[in-house]
Amino acid sequence: QAGLTQPPSVSKGLRQTATLTCTGNSNNVGNQGAAWLQQHQGHPPKLLSYRNNNRPSGISERLSASRSGNTASLTITGLQPEDEADYYCSAWDSALSVWVFGGGTKLTV
Amino acid sequence: QVQLVESGGGVVQPGRSLRLSCAASGFTFSNFAMHWVRQAPGKGLEWVAHISYHEINEHYADSVKGRFTISRDNSKNTLFLQMDSLRPEDTAVYYCTCESLDAFDIWGQGTMVTVSS
Repeated sequence: QAGLTQPPSVSKGLRQTATLTCTGNSNNVGNQGAAWLQQHQGHPPKLLSYRNNNRPSGISERLSASRSGNTASLTITGLQPEDEADYYCSAWDSALSVWVFGGGTKLTV
Repeated sequence: QVQLVESGGGVVQPGRSLRLSCAASGFTFSNFAMHWVRQAPGKGLEWVAHISYHEINEHYADSVKGRFTISRDNSKNTLFLQMDSLRPEDTAVYYCTCESLDAFDIWGQGTMVTVSS
């Protein structure tokens, strides 16, 4: 089952802006949109956004998500040390009837 | 508070079986679809299986289809994963997660499964 495509790593400085991307196809990201998860080493994932650009309560306003065609993006502004983590996108694939994840992007601040 | 607690992991030989459990609390378990997601050591997240809130629909990743069975007991707020014919490549931390708003909203801490002779 093909997954979503994410760059393996992104490196940015403190207080800079990082944009992470997630590319799928018309059956997953392009159709249902994507959700974003953050995972710190040794901890379970944490939901950051859902349905392309909705944040659960308690998630920083420095995070915003969007989608253009088959590519979803997560933008984090004013990077802080605690933003250093692995980030995953996920989506439902309506053609395969499976959930798919991206391979994850390691964000280094 | 809202919580998912997995149990049942351990070390098992190839070809053997293991049954994972996930106890839910703090929310109406029977209203939500549930999933198992795994993460091999040093690797990314891999979706394993899904069960609808009313137990009618199940979906599996190709890598586990025919070997794993997801089930739930809504009266006991518990999710299960029966894993048969285990392989070394099934070695991973197994997380249960609740689906809400088309996303994996609530996660447990995970339980480690090691398949090794």
